[in-house]
Amino acid sequence: RKEVEQDPGPFNVPEGATVAFNCTYSNSASQSFFWYRQDCRKEPKLLMSVYSSGNEDGRFTAQLNRASQYISLLIRDSKLSDSATYLCVVRGGGKLIFGQGTELSVKP
Amino acid sequence: SQTIHQWPATLVQPVGSPLSLECTVEGTSNPNLYWYRQAAGRGLQLLFYSVGIGQISSEVPQNLSASRPQDRQFILSSKKLLLSDSGFYLCAWAVVADTQYFGPGTRLTVL
Repeated sequence: RKEVEQDPGPFNVPEGATVAFNCTYSNSASQSFFWYRQDCRKEPKLLMSVYSSGNEDGRFTAQLNRASQYISLLIRDSKLSDSATYLCVVRGGGKLIFGQGTELSVKP
Repeated sequence: SQTIHQWPATLVQPVGSPLSLECTVEGTSNPNLYWYRQAAGRGLQLLFYSVGIGQISSEVPQNLSASRPQDRQFILSSKKLLLSDSGFYLCAWAVVADTQYFGPGTRLTVL
């Protein structure tokens, strides 16, 4: 079993749609959780950290369920500029473990 | 503010040639530094990390090595490149072991 698993994707959605990404992790001792965004042929950039109480940043909402070892990212009112690969990232033992990423393509 | 630099941006090298990729960080002291590789269509693989000058931890045994000669300089090297070394090489920094920030990367093609 992979340490961090994400929806395989790709997701193709129209502008204005709501899209949800799911992620599970295997190490129950994992300490921190993040979503990164990676544009084509660019470096990953931090989108948001994920807190136990859930957190929101504009159109983006992240949720964490430690009991189920599950992380989610919800994007509302998607824009063309949201097209990218979204990486679920888990920290354990001082290192970050990256999921394979889920590609999102937002169409006009 | 902190800035991370990597060079070169792209590199095409023949099989068997040596490699040296450099990463430098500005605006912070004693950062944790990391080298990752991302093969085409695949996830990020941690290659090396360093918590201080001269301290290198290797994650995956392979054809590469890393060095940290200065606090904010991290170098990835190889004596002889293999075809399988092709990929997108990313350097990252972090304060302690928290959120990591990536440099722009070096795209390496080994022919």
